[in-house]
Amino acid sequence: IAGITQAPTSQILAAGRRMTLRCTQDMRHNAMYWYRQDLGLGLRLIHYSNTAGTTGKGEVPDGYSVSRANTDDFPLTLASAVPSQTSVYFCASSEGDRSTDTQYFGPGTRLTVL
Amino acid sequence: DAKTTQPPSMDCAEGRAANLPCNHSTISGNEYVYWYRQIHSQGPQYIIHGLKNNETNEMASLIITEDRKSSTLILPHATLRDTAVYYCIVRPWFYNQGGKLIFGQGTELSVKP
Repeated sequence: IAGITQAPTSQILAAGRRMTLRCTQDMRHNAMYWYRQDLGLGLRLIHYSNTAGTTGKGEVPDGYSVSRANTDDFPLTLASAVPSQTSVYFCASSEGDRSTDTQYFGPGTRLTVL
Repeated sequence: DAKTTQPPSMDCAEGRAANLPCNHSTISGNEYVYWYRQIHSQGPQYIIHGLKNNETNEMASLIITEDRKSSTLILPHATLRDTAVYYCIVRPWFYNQGGKLIFGQGTELSVKP
């Protein structure tokens, strides 16, 4: 069982370009999340999805969009990348959206926007 | 969600127990204490959680004080692979729309030979 996979592992992107970060889980979890991690700021929630077909905004959603067409996949799109979006991005999933449901994290995508 | 306070860093000798403290003096009765860790460049990893009773699993033990204002994560026999940043998080038990985890600065644990 792979758990959560993310692609690409790392990417250097020119400002203004469009980019989609991919996230796939094979645990049949209902809820999925995208976080970004920046030095000194910890992990911050960008968007979440409690179940397939629904999404919601987290703490820092501006400049990002997500979709949840099925249970397994939760792509994160940067429509027009800016340097402030340089960060490490982590996808996570949990069985449900209750606070007692453990979140499992992917290995991360390191994104640099120049 | 209640705020947590952790020491920024700690050292531990390999093979010894690592005791990581966390203060959560404003915790309310419906909030769980969660511990995650993040090994360098990897995604956070769930360790353990508890409400008011002490908990133990294959990775660690969690000791919560009777007044629930603080807790201690215990790694009974620390190894070099336990070197990581450890995060203490409190979360309410009821449906928390978005289910977000609020990560503080954590404790950077260095296990030394």
